Amino acid sequence: QSVLTQPPSASGTPGQRVTISCSGSSSNIGSYTVYWYQQLPGTAPKLLIYGNNQRPSGVPDRFSGSKSGTSASLAISGLQSEDEADYYCAAWDASLNAVLFGGGTKVTVL
Amino acid sequence: DVQLVESGGGLVQPGGSLRLSCAASGFTFSSYWMHWVRQVPGEGLVWVSRIDSDGSSTNYADSVKGRFTISRDNAKNTVYLQMNSLRAEDTALYYCARPMADTRNAFDMWGQGTMVTVSS
Repeated sequence: QSVLTQPPSASGTPGQRVTISCSGSSSNIGSYTVYWYQQLPGTAPKLLIYGNNQRPSGVPDRFSGSKSGTSASLAISGLQSEDEADYYCAAWDASLNAVLFGGGTKVTVL
Repeated sequence: DVQLVESGGGLVQPGGSLRLSCAASGFTFSSYWMHWVRQVPGEGLVWVSRIDSDGSSTNYADSVKGRFTISRDNAKNTVYLQMNSLRAEDTALYYCARPMADTRNAFDMWGQGTMVTVSS
């Protein structure tokens, strides 16, 4: 069981905005930056967001991240069919001295 | 090309050992922390271990502590994961991952993964 909690699924129609939550604690999200990854079927994960809300070069600005207290969120605006993938949050945990991943959220484009 | 290439996976019996390798190219390997992350097919990502740039500091997930050892050879641009006392629950696709420059845990580069199957 992941210490970072994400909803197992989310969905939307093309053009809609979808938000994925990631809930943690004071020893991880509350104290450290959050990362978000996208994993398309059969491929390695791709970094979408680092530093809570920063996008690596090449990541569309439709993807945005935020953090408040011990929770974080990833928003996908203007949902596109190619956004159908699994999304994972991650953060360092000072109690475990480990990187934690959320359980993942499968986004479906209806 | 900037890439990470894992190797060493395969089928091993419970209680057995395996050493995974991850060969890096196209960047200054000795400047980066390196990590191993695993994923059971159809399931989520699970962090396994990390090592700092000169190999002096390591961390492990509780599930592998005492059984797995991460190491690196900066002269060979390679990071290793020695896996001992393997269990069925260690069966997974193992990725090596490199964090972004000036970060320790934001993985902007991943290998293609090497599959480890623990079964009798």
